[in-house]
Amino acid sequence: GDSVTQTEGLVTLTKGLPVMLNCTYQTTYSPFLFWYVQHLNEAPKLLLKSSTDNKRTEHQGFYATLHKSSSSFHLQKSSVQLSDSALYFCALTQTSGGNYKPTFGKGTSLVVHP
Amino acid sequence: ETAVFQTPNYHVTQVGNEVSFNCKQTLGHDTMYWYKQDSKKLLKIMFSYNNKQLIVNETVPRRFSPQSSDKAHLNLRIKSVEPEDSAVYLCASSQRGTGGEQYFGPGTRLTVL
Repeated sequence: GDSVTQTEGLVTLTKGLPVMLNCTYQTTYSPFLFWYVQHLNEAPKLLLKSSTDNKRTEHQGFYATLHKSSSSFHLQKSSVQLSDSALYFCALTQTSGGNYKPTFGKGTSLVVHP
Repeated sequence: ETAVFQTPNYHVTQVGNEVSFNCKQTLGHDTMYWYKQDSKKLLKIMFSYNNKQLIVNETVPRRFSPQSSDKAHLNLRIKSVEPEDSAVYLCASSQRGTGGEQYFGPGTRLTVL
């Protein structure tokens, strides 16, 4: 079956520094890849998505590039802010008969200090 | 307002009781999902429905049963709750053709005493 691996459970950074959260995946189909962000006591919401190989996608200062050759979709930001402290999920969906079945990684908690 | 709505926000109950959670989406999507988010924040898909038809049914205890009256509503019933059912239950929706982008509701926090 499909799987998504996020290697870091917790990342702690000082405000203003760059960050990269790792995401690799396994699937036998051509997937859509997503990053969702979940702030404390809120629901997850979409941050980025991509299905195009080697194309950078950006939103709210975050960016990621889907690399099908390495099955990766790492999330980056050049300068983190205190408000970026949250739980980040990498996810993929594969289409089977036109229906989506999402698979989520375990999540990476990002803590930004002043 | 177009969104995913869930009721109740919180529910506290005792072992063995039956509970029901409701979910409604006004986004016009054709697919709805139930997820369980445990105390470690892991997100696990439980069920998904497309136009009232069950399409994903992960390995969950038989005491969990989803119910869909139309494509905008998906409820979850738990018969005889257990302590390990304590979690946040998140409802989500998506639309075909978008890659399965998930729109989540605010969640229902269940505590089983």
